[in-house]
Amino acid sequence: SYELTQPLSLSVALGQTARLTCGGNNIGSKNVHWYQQRPGQAPLLVMYRDRNRPSGIPERFSGSSSGDTATLTISRAQAGDEADYFCQLWDNRTAVFGGGTKLTVL
Amino acid sequence: EVQLVESGGVAVQPGGSLRLSCAASGFRFDDYPMHWVRQVPGKGLEWVSLISWDGSSTYYADSVKGRFTISRDNAKNSLYLQMNSLTAEDTALYYCAKDAGEPVPDNYYMAVWGKGTPVTVSS
Repeated sequence: SYELTQPLSLSVALGQTARLTCGGNNIGSKNVHWYQQRPGQAPLLVMYRDRNRPSGIPERFSGSSSGDTATLTISRAQAGDEADYFCQLWDNRTAVFGGGTKLTVL
Repeated sequence: EVQLVESGGVAVQPGGSLRLSCAASGFRFDDYPMHWVRQVPGKGLEWVSLISWDGSSTYYADSVKGRFTISRDNAKNSLYLQMNSLTAEDTALYYCAKDAGEPVPDNYYMAVWGKGTPVTVSS
């Protein structure tokens, strides 16, 4: 079965750029989606099909995917961006989630 | 406004059964596939199941295949998850989620999520 690998944690200074990665075999050929989950809340879609932002998601959020890595980039990080981030794709009749990255904004 | 409200989560003994429900509103329910996703508190997300807009196609995670059944009643704008032969490993918060419904191959993802209903399996 397909596996997605995310770093357990990432820290970023307030106002700086955070790059969250999601690794998978030839992930660049698949559609990758990203979810933000703040403590005590349900997940929220923040990026779909690699690089598309849903309505209401700030332009500070951007996405890319190539080769074996997909990346969610958060520019000018804010305290409110502190959350868990999960990547996801559909493969072989199942949805697959990465293990999630806990983003800390210092 | 799209709303998904899950219900039916309770404490149940190992080997028991449970039926979760999800009431949908704010969108044309029968236009969209729907998912169930679960999460052990403090852990990651685990996809459970997907059903097509008309219920004709269903998909399951290996961990629940043969024990769980997803279904929907489009007349009632409702999604269900019948859970049988429950074990402690099924203990989690269960989310109902609306698929994006894009006409793109191999592109199922969760555009909107409910708040979840907790299931505890314990003796």
